[in-house]
Amino acid sequence: DIQMTQSPSSLSASVGDRVTITCRASQGISNYLAWFQQKPGKAPKSLIYVASSLQSGVPSRFSGSGSGTDFTLTISSLQPEDFATYYCQQYNDYPLTFGGGTKVEIK
Amino acid sequence: EVQLVESGGGLVQPGGSLRLSCAASGFTLSNYRMNWLRQAPGKGLEWVANIKEDGREIHYVDSVKGRFTISRDNAKNSLYLQMNSLTAEDTAVYYCARGFGVSHWGQGTLVTVSS
Repeated sequence: DIQMTQSPSSLSASVGDRVTITCRASQGISNYLAWFQQKPGKAPKSLIYVASSLQSGVPSRFSGSGSGTDFTLTISSLQPEDFATYYCQQYNDYPLTFGGGTKVEIK
Repeated sequence: EVQLVESGGGLVQPGGSLRLSCAASGFTLSNYRMNWLRQAPGKGLEWVANIKEDGREIHYVDSVKGRFTISRDNAKNSLYLQMNSLTAEDTAVYYCARGFGVSHWGQGTLVTVSS
């Protein structure tokens, strides 16, 4: 199975900060990488697919990059509604696997 | 508007069975691979199974192979998950989700396996 390692597992940031979350795959996954946002008690929301393409309706302050084994999710200017847990997922090979999540908290 | 609405969750005893359904609307189901994913209480996300557009290709996570069966009825705009031989480790919120790079999620249905 492909292991997905996210870092950090949590971070504290202020509104307006630039935030970067990394995701590393245990083997190459091309660009078959998605990012999701989840708020407490809610279903996940899809943010990015194929590593860097924004899902419809996702604000442009979110961006993704990377290919192969190393990927990043960047929030250019953190907004109050962005405090949540973020997950990466590879869909290059079965079983599809997720990172452990990064909780973004208010500083 | 794309909508996915899961149903069928509830409390079931260990060893029991449950069938989840996902009603799709706002898009043509037959054009998309569909997934079931789950999230145990306080834990991260786990992909469970998916099924190709025509139902002819199916994949499962190892922990549910032989116990869970994913299926679809494109004419009824519905996705299903038959879950047998349930254990406490299957307790989770179960989500249906659209696409290989998932674009849309349902709101989830809670499955609790307990005596």
